[in-house]
Amino acid sequence: EAGVAQSPRYKIIEKRQSVAFWCNPISGHATLYWYQQILGQGPKLLIQFQNNGVVDDSQLPKDRFSAERLKGVDSTLKIQPAKLEDSAVYLCASSLKGGYQPQHFGDGTRLSIL
Amino acid sequence: GIQVEQSPPDLILQEGANSTLRCNFSDSVNNLQWFHQNPWGQLINLFYIPSGTKQNGRLSATTVATERYSLLYISSSQTTDSGVYFCAVGLSGYKLSFGAGTTVTVRA
Repeated sequence: EAGVAQSPRYKIIEKRQSVAFWCNPISGHATLYWYQQILGQGPKLLIQFQNNGVVDDSQLPKDRFSAERLKGVDSTLKIQPAKLEDSAVYLCASSLKGGYQPQHFGDGTRLSIL
Repeated sequence: GIQVEQSPPDLILQEGANSTLRCNFSDSVNNLQWFHQNPWGQLINLFYIPSGTKQNGRLSATTVATERYSLLYISSSQTTDSGVYFCAVGLSGYKLSFGAGTTVTVRA
């Protein structure tokens, strides 16, 4: 079974630029999550989708972050404009439908803001 | 939100030793998962264990939901067990809150 795929693996941009990350969940997984992991901390949930609907985006900085999951499969997370404090690893995870399921993570995208 | 406290923050083991990691949480939960983040940054799901005991090879976990804690046991540790172990909990089945992790270093 193929795991969660993410791209790119690394991204370096200057502050105020924009960036986008892509995620393809495990086949058949209806729930998709985006997390932000700052160095030395545990992951923090940014947004959760159930199929193509948003379940929770309470910790997403909506003035600069946006995410979509068209057709209920792939998802993109965008930051515009980026700030220095956005330097982190952005992790995508997926699980079978519903919250009471093990979450499986991709390898993440390491973002550095100069 | 739910507070998650993991202990110890750091653990150094000699290969072959056993250890216990603890996760305390501040409220009732019905979703608890343990993860291992290896030195390359990959997060691997070890257990989905909102209650009871589970075992997978040299690893086992116990959650006592009524007392708001979970334990992860590592037996006969190997160098490949090195990394950060995270406990994550949730109340509604949706949003998971992660602890700060326990960094485990296993020396040959």
